[in-house]
Amino acid sequence: GAGVSQTPSNKVTEKGKYVELRCDPISGHTALYWYRQSLGQGPEFLIYFQGTGAADDSGLPNDRFFAVRPEGSVSTLKIQRTERGDSAVYLCASSRGSPGNTIYFGEGSWLTVV
Amino acid sequence: AQSVTQLDSQVPVFEEAPVELRCNYSSSVSVYLFWYVQYPNQGLQLLLKYLSGSTLVKGINGFEAEFNKSQTSFHLRKPSVHISDTAEYFCAVSDRSAGGYNKLIFGAGTRLAVHP
Repeated sequence: GAGVSQTPSNKVTEKGKYVELRCDPISGHTALYWYRQSLGQGPEFLIYFQGTGAADDSGLPNDRFFAVRPEGSVSTLKIQRTERGDSAVYLCASSRGSPGNTIYFGEGSWLTVV
Repeated sequence: AQSVTQLDSQVPVFEEAPVELRCNYSSSVSVYLFWYVQYPNQGLQLLLKYLSGSTLVKGINGFEAEFNKSQTSFHLRKPSVHISDTAEYFCAVSDRSAGGYNKLIFGAGTRLAVHP
C-alpha cells in the first residue's frame, strides 16, 4: 500500500497479558517512529528507529515496552504485563531520514486493556 | 525541554467564517513547526510545515500559518471554513539540531467544530 499500515486496528486484551502491535512503513522510508495518543491528548513520542537500530527510545514509559525493527522495514511494538493505563491509540509514522521531511502517520492501533 | 501550548481546546465557528487556531511553543533552540489535522476515525495528516524562509506558510485545504519568532507562535488560519474542516488540529515542534531526525512534540489539540 501507499501509506503506513498498522495492525491490528483494534485490540482488546486482559490486564497482565502480552501484546504486539505491527507497523509497515512507507516503502523506502528509513525513519520510523512510534507515538502513543491517550484520549483527549496529543501524540507522545515513544521511540525512533533509523534503519534497524533504535536511535532514541527516551519516550518508552518503562521496561514493559520494547520495539524492534530487525530488517529496517516492519516494526513491532511489544508490551508486556499490560496495565489498564496502557489503553491508548498507538501510532506509527515514517519518513525519509533527513530532518524537516514530512512524517506520515498510520491510522493507529487502538489498544484497550480490561 | 520543548513544549507546545494550544490555547483553545475547542473552537466553534459558523460555516464561511474565518478561524484562527492558536499555538505557542517553548524552546531554547531553533525549531521546525508543523500543523497536523486528524479527521474522525482517520490518521494524522500534515497540513503545513515551517522549515525556513518566509514566515507565512501555505498548506492544503486553504490553511496558512505564520511563524512569529519573537512571540514563539505559529497560529493557523483559514479565511472561510467549511463543514468538512471539522476535525482535531495539532500543532507540533521539533528541534532543528536533534541528531538529524524529527522528534515531534505535540500540543494537546484543538477541536474545530464548524456549524451550518
